[in-house]
Amino acid sequence: DTGVSQDPRHKITKRGQNVTFRCDPISEHNRLYWYRQTLGQGPEFLTYFQNEAQLEKSRLLSDRFSAERPKGSFSTLEIQRTEQGDSAMYLCASSLSGYDSPLHFGNGTRLTVT
Amino acid sequence: AQSVTQLGSHVSVSEGALVLLRCNYSSSVPPYLFWYVQYPNQGLQLLLKYTTGATLVKGINGFEAEFKKSETSFHLTKPSAHMSDAAEYFCAVSSYNQGGKLIFGQGTELSVKP
Repeated sequence: DTGVSQDPRHKITKRGQNVTFRCDPISEHNRLYWYRQTLGQGPEFLTYFQNEAQLEKSRLLSDRFSAERPKGSFSTLEIQRTEQGDSAMYLCASSLSGYDSPLHFGNGTRLTVT
Repeated sequence: AQSVTQLGSHVSVSEGALVLLRCNYSSSVPPYLFWYVQYPNQGLQLLLKYTTGATLVKGINGFEAEFKKSETSFHLTKPSAHMSDAAEYFCAVSSYNQGGKLIFGQGTELSVKP
């Protein structure tokens, strides 16, 4: 168990630019989740995958956000035309498919939009 | 819809004192309940979880929590605080019909005074 890995750890971008984050889950986990966390708040659910299928998307996930998990392994989260309000910590988590399986989180990618 | 309320955004205790972090949930179906801890600039680490069975759940680092259905509560306790317990703590809820997705509370920051 090497843990959930996220890359990059930090990203600074200018408003209007596109950014992409990567998440490598624990290898035997077939579920993968993306959350967003702003300062002083709990993580907010964005979307999740079961293998390569994206099963749910939050209404928080505007059309500028897209997530993929092409081969059911790693996932990418892309934000197009970034806005200052997108500044946050983006957390990835993975789990087994049992309904009570705990989520294992990565250390997150901190995005700053200037 | 499910939700979590954590009472008290900041809790301060002295080293060696009892730690009590409060969590109340709302769920129309039997809940799965979790406590996570987050250290600065890191992801979330699972402390403990309740799914079914025994309502007093023991976790890592000496923490425990008790599920009280009648009070819709899942408070986290530790008999004796240690300096290393200073962190942000999050309560989360899920259920069998949520695909493993967690809904988090806003968090409680625990400070431990020497």
